Amino acid sequence: DIVLTQTPLSLSVTPGQPASISCKSSQSLLHSDGKTYLYWYLQKPGQSPQLLIYELSNRFSGVPDRFSGGGSGTDFTLKISRVEPEDVGVYYCMQTTQLPPITFGQGTRLEIK
Amino acid sequence: EVQLVESGGDLVQPGGSLRLSCATSGFTFSNYEMNWVRQAPGKGLEWVSYISRSGNTKYYADSVKGRFTISRDNAKSSLYLQMNSLRAEDSAVYYCGRDLPDIDHWGQGTLVTVSS
Repeated sequence: DIVLTQTPLSLSVTPGQPASISCKSSQSLLHSDGKTYLYWYLQKPGQSPQLLIYELSNRFSGVPDRFSGGGSGTDFTLKISRVEPEDVGVYYCMQTTQLPPITFGQGTRLEIK
Repeated sequence: EVQLVESGGDLVQPGGSLRLSCATSGFTFSNYEMNWVRQAPGKGLEWVSYISRSGNTKYYADSVKGRFTISRDNAKSSLYLQMNSLRAEDSAVYYCGRDLPDIDHWGQGTLVTVSS
C-alpha cells in the first residue's frame, strides 16, 4: 500500500501570509498514463471534506487561485499564497494512482494566528 | 446541484449489523463510480470501499474485507454499505463520495457507534 506522510501536522499562520504543506509518498505517484493522481482536500470544522486540487495541480471548480498544488514523483506540496480566515481546517492529500486501497495523508491542521 | 445524503447510522453493539444508505440527486448516478470513506472521532480519513458504475467491480479496505459489502441501485440512484460483525474500531462518521480517480463530492456523513 502507498503511504502518504504529511508535514507539518499543524501550522499557525497570520492572515495574509503564505502557507505550505508537504505530502511525501512511499512510492512514485506517476501513473503509466502520464498523470499523477494526487489530490488535496480541505475539511473545514464540522464539515465534510471538499476537493481543492485534482491530479497534482488543477484547481477544482470554485477554488480560489491562492491555492496551488505542485511536485512530482514522491514529493508534493500544497501552497496557499495568502491565508485567509476561511482557510481554517484540516488539509489532506490523497492518492489514487495505485489502488486499492485509496490512501490519505494523516492531515495537517491549519489555524489562524 | 449534486447532493449525497447518507443515513442509517446508529448505536449498535459489537458483533451487530447495520446498513448505511446514500441517496443521491443532481447527477446521473449510473455514470459515476462511488466510494465509502470513514472518519473515526478526532481522526483522519480512511477509505473503506469502492464500487464501479455497473456494480460489477468492488474493492474493500483490508480492515473491513469479509465483513462489509458495498452495493448500489442505479434505478434508485442510491449507494449502500452493509456492515456485519461490527467492532468498536468501526465507530466513525461514514461518508459516501462520488467518483474516481478523484472523489469530487461528499455527503455530510452518518455516525456509526459500536459500543455495548
